[in-house]
Amino acid sequence: KQEVTQIPAALSVPEGENLVLNCSFTDSAIYNLQWFRQDPGKGLTSLLLIQSSQREQTSGRLNASLDKSSGRSTLYIAASQPGDSATYLCAGATSGTYKYIFGTGTRLKVLA
Amino acid sequence: DGGITQSPKYLFRKEGQNVTLSCEQNLNHDAMYWYRQDPGQGLRLIYYSQIVNDFQKGDIAEGYSVSREKKESFPLTVTSAQKNPTAFYLCASTDSRQPQHFGDGTRLSIL
Repeated sequence: KQEVTQIPAALSVPEGENLVLNCSFTDSAIYNLQWFRQDPGKGLTSLLLIQSSQREQTSGRLNASLDKSSGRSTLYIAASQPGDSATYLCAGATSGTYKYIFGTGTRLKVLA
Repeated sequence: DGGITQSPKYLFRKEGQNVTLSCEQNLNHDAMYWYRQDPGQGLRLIYYSQIVNDFQKGDIAEGYSVSREKKESFPLTVTSAQKNPTAFYLCASTDSRQPQHFGDGTRLSIL
């Protein structure tokens, strides 16, 4: 059974720091991988999608990469801002399915 | 604007009562999902549907039921058999090469 681990569970940093959030899967046969942001009491906002033929995606200050051989993904946030404070979740779908499995998230707080 | 609409935003259930959560999408996506989120937890899959008139159980389907009679709609019924229904329920949709899009969620509580 696919399980997803996100490290660290919580992170508090001063504004301006560069950050790395980690996500690992017990089954490395990941087809699609997504990173999401969730603000308190809200739904999820998609940040980046890495499809089966890709290894990384970039959007603004965010970069996500996927190492399929190890079943690990990282989300890099450059020059963090207080507005980046949220919970970040990763989710992966294994080959041939639309079924996504989610990690428990990393709760990020960026201090002004 | 395309998106996913969940209603109601807040819902209260009495003992022994079934309640239905609505999820509608106008993104023309084939696949739709229901997730449950408990405080401080990730999302757990309840049911998903890859096509109209077909759906599959997720990891925690007991006490829940769904239907997919139209492409745009995927309602979730929380039955009286679900003994711990208090949670935040999220609906999502996607196509195979699209990101998952989420609604704003329904918060269900017990009276």
